[in-house]
Amino acid sequence: EDKVVQSPLSLVVHEGDTVTLNCSYEVTNFRSLLWYKQEKKAPTFLFMLTSSGIEKKSGRLSSILDKKELSSILNITATQTGDSAIYLCALSQGAQKLVFGQGTRLTINP
Amino acid sequence: EAQVTQNPRYLITVTGKKLTVTCSQNMNHEYMSWYRQDPGLGLRQIYYSMNVEVTDKGDVPEGYKVSRKEKRNFPLILESPSPNQTSLYFCASGRSTGTGQADTQYFGPGTRLTVL
Repeated sequence: EDKVVQSPLSLVVHEGDTVTLNCSYEVTNFRSLLWYKQEKKAPTFLFMLTSSGIEKKSGRLSSILDKKELSSILNITATQTGDSAIYLCALSQGAQKLVFGQGTRLTINP
Repeated sequence: EAQVTQNPRYLITVTGKKLTVTCSQNMNHEYMSWYRQDPGLGLRQIYYSMNVEVTDKGDVPEGYKVSRKEKRNFPLILESPSPNQTSLYFCASGRSTGTGQADTQYFGPGTRLTVL
């Protein structure tokens, strides 16, 4: 059965810390891996990763895919309270079939 | 403004009373999809559509119907809602990359449904 597992499920850190969120997967027909940020409403897109070893970066956020290890990490440096959210990892198996992980709830304390 | 809209945003109903949640996108996306989000279970795909008149089941299609008669609209129909369909529902849309793969998906604001 296709599976996406995120860890940790919950993380509380202080402002300014660096965090690393993990996503591992067991899916057939892998096409791409996506990261989303969900605050109080709809998930918003962060990154799409298709190739192993190529880092995608946007400001303080970065992400990389390791196809050999069937995993991806999302890094956030110099965290701010506005980074508090649920971070979702999803695997695309082609077309619009997405399998999501349970999410990591990140809380940044001032 | 590019967006995905859903209506209603909040709905409380009773078991067995048919309801429709509408979804519309103004980005001319080929792909549209419905998800439900439940605590501890994350987002699970209900149905998706690759284009007009083309729909397919996701992981949790039981108790739901969809239709895609126009490119911009993708309504979710609950013919006989039950309490286990109480959830937060999201509609999403995405472009085709031309290789049969959907590009990133854009989510609507969500519909919180309670079935008593």
